[in-house]
Amino acid sequence: DTEVTQTPKHLVMGMTNKKSLKCEQHMGHRAMYWYKQKAKKPPELMFVYSYEKLSINESVPSRFSPECPNSSLLNLHLHALQPEDSALYLCASSQESVHEKLFFGSGTQLSVL
Amino acid sequence: KQEVTQIPAALSVPEGENLVLNCSFTDSAIYNLQWFRQDPGKGLTSLLLIQSSQREQTSGRLNASLDKSSGRSTLYIAASQPGDSATYLCAVRFVGTYKYIFGTGTRLKVLA
Repeated sequence: DTEVTQTPKHLVMGMTNKKSLKCEQHMGHRAMYWYKQKAKKPPELMFVYSYEKLSINESVPSRFSPECPNSSLLNLHLHALQPEDSALYLCASSQESVHEKLFFGSGTQLSVL
Repeated sequence: KQEVTQIPAALSVPEGENLVLNCSFTDSAIYNLQWFRQDPGKGLTSLLLIQSSQREQTSGRLNASLDKSSGRSTLYIAASQPGDSATYLCAVRFVGTYKYIFGTGTRLKVLA
């Protein structure tokens, strides 16, 4: 199994809503990542979890709240988002070593109205 | 500042052509470089990973080379097909940082 699974695939939410994005992998990877990608731009790193602990936070606004309940799951909780937060949110995972390949999920296309 | 750039930004070629995509990076101290393919609105698919100690990697019709000293990598696609149409991204993991830094991508269209 070499897949990273993200749900939902599409999400539309209002600025007062609370929603969560979910990511799951069963490759035994101990590093998991959230990226944000705007149209026709490269992915931008948001968060990195290493061994279920937050190791990198790229100065992301607090309306985005990551959570890593166990080594296979990664969530991104969304609250009071702005229309400019509309983007493709990508989850990725890898082995802990810096020499290892990054595996991406298919993403959640988020629209904030 | 550690940066990754890709040229050209867009490329359109007839089916069957061999083509080369370029990736440049500003610091030769890297752990590795990874090439990805992305279809519109989809996630990234890993194509090839080259470690800093390697010169090239091959997978099927794809060949990626790495010249660390000059800060360059190329992705060679042989006998291009319409199904190769996508955006190709390179990402570099610089020494001293855990994260990959992505280039802006090359949008490839292969015409039937």
